[in-house]
Amino acid sequence: DTGVSQDPRHKITKRGQNVTFRCDPISEHNRLYWYRQTLGQGPEFLTYFQNEAQLEKSRLLSDRFSAERPKGSFSTLEIQRTEQGDSAMYLCASRESDGTPDGYTFGSGTRLTVV
Amino acid sequence: ELKVEQNPLFLSMQEGKNYTIYCNYSTTSDRLYWYRQDPGKSLESLFVLLSNGAVKQEGRLMASLDTKARLSTLHITAAVHDLSATYFCAVDMRYDMRFGAGTRLTVKP
Repeated sequence: DTGVSQDPRHKITKRGQNVTFRCDPISEHNRLYWYRQTLGQGPEFLTYFQNEAQLEKSRLLSDRFSAERPKGSFSTLEIQRTEQGDSAMYLCASRESDGTPDGYTFGSGTRLTVV
Repeated sequence: ELKVEQNPLFLSMQEGKNYTIYCNYSTTSDRLYWYRQDPGKSLESLFVLLSNGAVKQEGRLMASLDTKARLSTLHITAAVHDLSATYFCAVDMRYDMRFGAGTRLTVKP
């Protein structure tokens, strides 16, 4: 296992289009997180999965955003009717469990540009 | 609501100098992380601090945690150009981490 994988690395889309990103966590990690990072800011929490259950969602996650983690493996983040304000780096992270002494492992991110 | 404040937000250092980055947070947590981010890249884990009084060192970087003061520090010793990056602290909440705004470090020759 080579770490957390995200696809695509870059996405340019026109305003109003839908986009979907994929994250493959480290295989033994049952916790999966999505963060959004805009230029010059720290990552902001979006949502969290424990296995296939989505346990927490930030109020940043508007109705246009939806995330899934079928079968508790990979996860997808979909943004419908994209807006220019959605332009950001979308980061996925995973960890083995809440009590693990290890930190979170981040993927390389998907950079979204809405034009 | 949890606040995680880093200072300074921008730091320009001469090579060979020492400096400390501070991370204050507003709620009880006994676990704190430090990450490094290079421009256009993802986050690289530097330190995981698991308890009050924890101190970890790796090369020219040393991190500490005081949970009573709700303060973590990242000390840079004899800075070199390769340390130029943005450094984030993040506080462990029950389900996720909350990040500071980051300290953008530039080390000049």
